[in-house]
Amino acid sequence: DTGVSQDPRHKITKRGQNVTFRCDPISEHNRLYWYRQTLGQGPEFLTYFQNEAQLEKSRLLSDRFSAERPKGSFSTLEIQRTEQGDSAMYLCASTLVTGGYEQYFGPGTRLTVT
Amino acid sequence: ELKVEQNPLFLSMQEGKNYTIYCNYSTTSDRLYWYRQDPGKSLESLFVLLSNGAVKQEGRLMASLDTKARLSTLHITAAVHDLSATYFCAVDPSGTYKYIFGTGTRLKVLA
Repeated sequence: DTGVSQDPRHKITKRGQNVTFRCDPISEHNRLYWYRQTLGQGPEFLTYFQNEAQLEKSRLLSDRFSAERPKGSFSTLEIQRTEQGDSAMYLCASTLVTGGYEQYFGPGTRLTVT
Repeated sequence: ELKVEQNPLFLSMQEGKNYTIYCNYSTTSDRLYWYRQDPGKSLESLFVLLSNGAVKQEGRLMASLDTKARLSTLHITAAVHDLSATYFCAVDPSGTYKYIFGTGTRLKVLA
């Protein structure tokens, strides 16, 4: 068990470009979450998967954001036509659907849109 | 609207002192979580509180949950510099599995 990993750790992109982030959860965890965190704020829920099914998506998430979790393993988060307001830390977390639902967070991907 | 509010937002305290951080939430939830975040780092799980009256302690930190009052506290005993970080509480509104995080409390322990 190596914990939750995310790639890349940092991404700088120009406005209008598309970016994709990857998250590898803890192997036995069947639920995976994406959050966005801006400076001085708590993590904001974006979406979550149970196995390969996307069960919930925040109403705050625009159509430029899409997430997938093929085969219920790793997940990707894509942002199309990035805007400066997308600059944030994108966090992934995983959990088991039993017990206390404790979330384990990855190191995050810091996105800067110039 | 679901709200999770923490106070204080900023806390500067001397080493050796005690203090309590409060987490109030506006929705029904039987599960509450506390996390620590160091600058530029991700979140580290501290406590999982699963029922009314739950109390958990780890080192100088103790967390409790009162679901009827919709209140959780994180008590710091004899603070040390290493506890300097931002602390978040989060709730899991019943049946939604969407974790709502508080505003965070930025703690600075002065030597």
